[in-house]
Amino acid sequence: AQSVTQLDSQVPVFEEAPVELRCNYSSSVSVYLFWYVQYPNQGLQLLLKYLSGSTLVKGINGFEAEFNKSQTSFHLRKPSVHISDTAEYFCAVTSFSGGYNKLIFGAGTRLAVHP
Amino acid sequence: KAGVTQTPRYLIKTRGQQVTLSCSPISGHRSVSWYQQTPGQGLQFLFEYFSETQRNKGNFPGRFSGRQFSNSRSEMNVSTLELGDSALYLCASSINRRPDEKLFFGSGTQLSVL
Repeated sequence: AQSVTQLDSQVPVFEEAPVELRCNYSSSVSVYLFWYVQYPNQGLQLLLKYLSGSTLVKGINGFEAEFNKSQTSFHLRKPSVHISDTAEYFCAVTSFSGGYNKLIFGAGTRLAVHP
Repeated sequence: KAGVTQTPRYLIKTRGQQVTLSCSPISGHRSVSWYQQTPGQGLQFLFEYFSETQRNKGNFPGRFSGRQFSNSRSEMNVSTLELGDSALYLCASSINRRPDEKLFFGSGTQLSVL
């Protein structure tokens, strides 16, 4: 079975400061990892994904994430946040055995960017 | 290109009733999956349909069912509604079922059970 743990339920940060949202996963098989963002009253939007290859993945809106197999982590980072980045962020995992479109999500991290 | 369309946007039902939610995927997408989002349980996978066949199912009771039509549109049905079924139901579509494909989500149907 697979699981995802997002270590922070809320992260407050000031505008233009760097931010890191932490995600750890558990799986007995090879996984594919994703970060999604959800703005109020909207569905989820893909930020970035790790399938294979380079462990540093760049996504939209200036976000990037690093896959660390030994630490089973996939932390999301942004060097300078904007007010518009205020949203809920979800880390997710899937695998071939689970069915690719069966995503297992973490509980989410609410990022609040303050002026 | 239109996005994933879910109807209705909001729904209020009472316990014991049944409800049908609709999802129209992006044109050309053949896979449709459904997720339930609640404050307590977060996002949970319900089921996935591809080419009118259910390919995967989450851990939900049999009161939750779905289907997919030949035009890839999908419906999910919840019978004998319970208070705990109050949630945001999200639909997502993709072209096929490959991990390198992007999954597109709709804005969801907010179901309130009174």
